[in-house]
Amino acid sequence: EAQVTQNPRYLITVTGKKLTVTCSQNMNHEYMSWYRQDPGLGLRQIYYSMNVEVTDKGDVPEGYKVSRKEKRNFPLILESPSPNQTSLYFCASSSRPTGNTIYFGEGSWLTVV
Amino acid sequence: QQQVKQSPQSLIVQKGGISIINCAYENTAFDYFPWYQQFPGKGPALLIAIRPDVSEKKEGRFTISFNKSAKQFSLHIMDSQPGDSATYFCAASVGGTYKYIFGTGTRLKVLA
Repeated sequence: EAQVTQNPRYLITVTGKKLTVTCSQNMNHEYMSWYRQDPGLGLRQIYYSMNVEVTDKGDVPEGYKVSRKEKRNFPLILESPSPNQTSLYFCASSSRPTGNTIYFGEGSWLTVV
Repeated sequence: QQQVKQSPQSLIVQKGGISIINCAYENTAFDYFPWYQQFPGKGPALLIAIRPDVSEKKEGRFTISFNKSAKQFSLHIMDSQPGDSATYFCAASVGGTYKYIFGTGTRLKVLA
């Protein structure tokens, strides 16, 4: 079954405590991306990756890091989380850059207190 | 110019009615316009998509109408059902860029 799996699904953390949200896809997709979803703002792209070791900033990259050491994995790193990073995060993958289906994970609820 | 403006923010429709969600864009370089459906607790999933070379695309009860000159596109859900209750996002992208711009979402509730 085609899947994008992200963990953890729910996390409450404290300001400044580094955390990583993992993402893995089993579709051999080259393109992966992270989005955050906030009420009234829709989905906003944080970072994306076109292939292993190739990443680029999306619309809201501040405060986030990513890495793509393997094709299937694309972790999102919050080095020093702040309350304004409290959000619902989605990892996504696609076989082509655009014009094709984006497969989303089920989301990770992150609360920073 | 990179925005996609979506309306309404929320919509309540009676079962069997027509749900209509609208989106407008400015960037004429956009060449792919998908709609995503999101149920509570789930990630968005592709519902239907259109390219600007056609004015309408229909898949079952779901239809996208596209007006290139007005830079608008809309989702019509015919014979709306309670199972259609979800949040709907329009999006737009420019070919080859992996940049998707999503609308702010419409929360649809279909009353039984």
